[in-house]
Amino acid sequence: DQQVKQNSPSLSVQEGRISILNCDYTNSMFDYFLWYKKYPAEGPTFLISISSIKDKNEDGRFTVFLNKSAKHLSLHIVPSQPGDSAVYFCAASPKEGGSYIPTFGRGTSLIVHP
Amino acid sequence: DAGVIQSPRHEVTEMGQEVTLRCKPISGHDYLFWYRQTMMRGLELLIYFNNNVPIDDSGMPEDRFSAKMPNASFSTLKIQPSEPRDSAVYFCASSRSTDTQYFGPGTRLTVL
Repeated sequence: DQQVKQNSPSLSVQEGRISILNCDYTNSMFDYFLWYKKYPAEGPTFLISISSIKDKNEDGRFTVFLNKSAKHLSLHIVPSQPGDSAVYFCAASPKEGGSYIPTFGRGTSLIVHP
Repeated sequence: DAGVIQSPRHEVTEMGQEVTLRCKPISGHDYLFWYRQTMMRGLELLIYFNNNVPIDDSGMPEDRFSAKMPNASFSTLKIQPSEPRDSAVYFCASSRSTDTQYFGPGTRLTVL
């Protein structure tokens, strides 16, 4: 059973508009959340993270929102650029013994059209 | 730093053959992870090591899969015998303790 769910396999957005990628989780022990970005023929790279003590974290055009009561997080990209076209993985982990071993979702493929 | 290095980048083999995937983590990182990416399951954690010791191999699908880390700078993932359903992209990643993971470029495995 998937503990981290990305229900939209793909998303298409016009350049300059907002991209919103969603992620749901089921394990209430998860308290650290990450987004990774993956280009074709490359490994995933870390994008942004958020701890459960916060409900928002912003880094440039990228903002992650966390709604703990709904067990939901989202990644907002504003404005979207063609170079943002990639697969985005949501990941979540519990703080067990000080180590963060994440569980990944299946990914959402974002296409930003010029 | 060169980042996480994986070899080979592509592997095509026939069913029943042994396959060995290799990984060199980033120097100084004490965690090493092996993942498999498929369309159906996304990114699955197969096994991870801490200070060269296997900590959790519950993600290894079958006894046909084995992984070793003989030293801090090298790890292998072996599949013997390989089957067509093993076809996937296999990623190695490393991290420093609780830091975020750095992924290698992956090995695309095709088993005919």
